[in-house]
Order: sequence, then C-alpha cells, then structure tokens
Amino acid sequence: NAGVMQNPRHLVRRRGQEARLRCSPMKGHSHVYWYRQLPEEGLKFMVYLQKENIIDESGMPKERFSAEFPKEGPSILRIQQVVRGDSAAYFCASSPETGMNTEAFFGQGTRLTVV
Amino acid sequence: GDSVTQMEGPVTLSEEAFLTINCTYTATGYPSLFWYVQYPGEGLQLLLKATKADDKGSNKGFEATYRKETTSFHLEKGSVQVSDSAVYFCALSVSGGYNKLIFGAGTRLAVHP
Repeated sequence: NAGVMQNPRHLVRRRGQEARLRCSPMKGHSHVYWYRQLPEEGLKFMVYLQKENIIDESGMPKERFSAEFPKEGPSILRIQQVVRGDSAAYFCASSPETGMNTEAFFGQGTRLTVV
Repeated sequence: GDSVTQMEGPVTLSEEAFLTINCTYTATGYPSLFWYVQYPGEGLQLLLKATKADDKGSNKGFEATYRKETTSFHLEKGSVQVSDSAVYFCALSVSGGYNKLIFGAGTRLAVHP
C-alpha cells in the first residue's frame, strides 16, 4: 500500500509563473490536507478537502492560491503568479476518515523555489 | 486561538544522553496531542500521540504524557542515539471533528557519537 505521493519533489519557478503541486492520497483515503512549511518554521494548515469539496480553507491566502480534489485523480494545489515569498515546502496529508483519533499520513512534500 | 509552543533548538546531545523537549499548548476544548518527527529531506512521521488527559504516548523509546493541569506534552527519551537526529514537532488537533493540526515551530535535535 503506497503512502501519500506528492509530485514533483522539487519545483523551481520564476516569479510570475504558475506552480501546480499534486498529491495522491493513500488508497482508501478520501480526506486531504495541505500544509506549508516556511524555512525554519513549523507547518501551517492551509486547506482541508474531501472529494469534490473544500471543507476548510481558512489557512489559504486570499489571492493566487487555490486547491481542488476532484472525483478522479490527485488533489492539486495551484499557485498563480508566484512570488519569492511562496518559496516553501508544501506537504499533503491524507486520512481515511475524520475524527481526532484518526491518524493523518504525510507525504514527503514538494519543495518550491521561486527565483 | 489555539497554539503550540516548543522549546527552541537546536538541542545538541551526546549519544546515550537523556532528552527532554518541552511543549506547551493553548486550546479551547480538549485537543489530541501529537509528536511528529521529520528526518532531513523527508515528510513528517507520527512518533506518538495522546488523546486525553493523563494519557501517555510512547514509541521507539520516546514518551510524552498529556498534562492538562500544566497544558504540557513534553517529549522524553532516556538514551538518545545518533539516528534520533531530526526535527521534532509538537502538534495539537483542534476540536471540530477533523484532523486539522496546529504545529509548534519544531526543535532540531543533533546527537553526536
């Protein structure tokens, strides 16, 4: 059973370009979470999605960032018109259900560098 | 709002030394508490967790006890190894029915032979 798969592992974008980060949850998991880790900081919650629904996007910047989790295929975190401050590691986690006793499994992350 | 505060690193120890990494939290309601470990270039792995007051989580020689009276969840290990070198994150899961985690800033541990 493969773990949470994120790709690409490393992504370099020039300022103003778009970045697309993909996350395939573990098999059987229908809940996906995205977190951002700035250098030397902890992870910050961005968004929680279920299939075809955004449940909580309270951590998403209001502009340029969007996320989706379609019925088929991976979850996508999209950053338009990237700026240097978007450089960070973006982690995806998935869980089979909700509830505080349910473990969320993390992927290895995508490290975005904006030049 | 809910938050987690960890002791600042880096923490540098010799092999077989005793480890304590302090973690305190602020939360409304009754959160679950977690310690995650991040090895260089990797994602986060759950190390241990506790879901209610006085619970003790343990794994791989690491322990942490959920102390409601002091709002703490300190990580301890009696004898660290070089392979324990990593960044350790304390986190809480907010009440509300899903796994939205709030993380501390992380504590880097370096263990030398």
